[in-house]
Amino acid sequence: AQKITQTQPGMFVQEKEAVTLDCTYDTSDQSYGLFWYKQPSSGEMIFLIYQGSYDEQNATEGRYSLNFQKARKSANLVISASQLGDSAMYFCAMRGGMDSNYQLIWGAGTKLIIKP
Amino acid sequence: DAMVIQNPRYQVTQFGKPVTLSCSQTLNHNVMYWYQQKSSQAPKLLFHYYDKDFNNEADTPDNFQSRRPNTSFCFLDIRSPGLGDAAMYLCATSRDRGGANVLTFGAGSRLTVL
Repeated sequence: AQKITQTQPGMFVQEKEAVTLDCTYDTSDQSYGLFWYKQPSSGEMIFLIYQGSYDEQNATEGRYSLNFQKARKSANLVISASQLGDSAMYFCAMRGGMDSNYQLIWGAGTKLIIKP
Repeated sequence: DAMVIQNPRYQVTQFGKPVTLSCSQTLNHNVMYWYQQKSSQAPKLLFHYYDKDFNNEADTPDNFQSRRPNTSFCFLDIRSPGLGDAAMYLCATSRDRGGANVLTFGAGSRLTVL
């Protein structure tokens, strides 16, 4: 069975510090994708970054990077130089292949609070 | 800007009174999804349309129905809302299923049941 685990229910981080949000996954699919979404208190889900299982390099998007360790089945999100606006829920999600009907499996989320 | 629009943003209904939530997209995406999200939880997929093909999740209650009259619009109908249906309902779209297809979400419709 496919599963996403986010072990940090909540985190407090000082503004301007780097943040690492943990995500581990379990799948028997050879081809899969990993996504990170941000959800501010307003409710809208905002796509941050994507990593494919066959991508050799870690994905980066501005201040966001994904630390992909395939052998350990982890896909941690790193936010550099955190800002107050980064305070939000962060969800890790995985999409499997055809056998899992391409559906997204979501983690429970991590609530990140940036302190001034 | 191309986007996903949900209406209404806030809906208050009475126990048992039918509700319809709408979603429109200007992205011309093939796939449209409806998720239910309760407080501090991950979103839960209710169903999705792949073009006109409706795909219901096995554990979605019959109380929830959906319509997609054309590519741009999708509706969520809750026939007899119960107190447990109070939640945020998120509409999302993607160009296709699978692979790196990113889901683009609307701002959500927050449903309160009195």
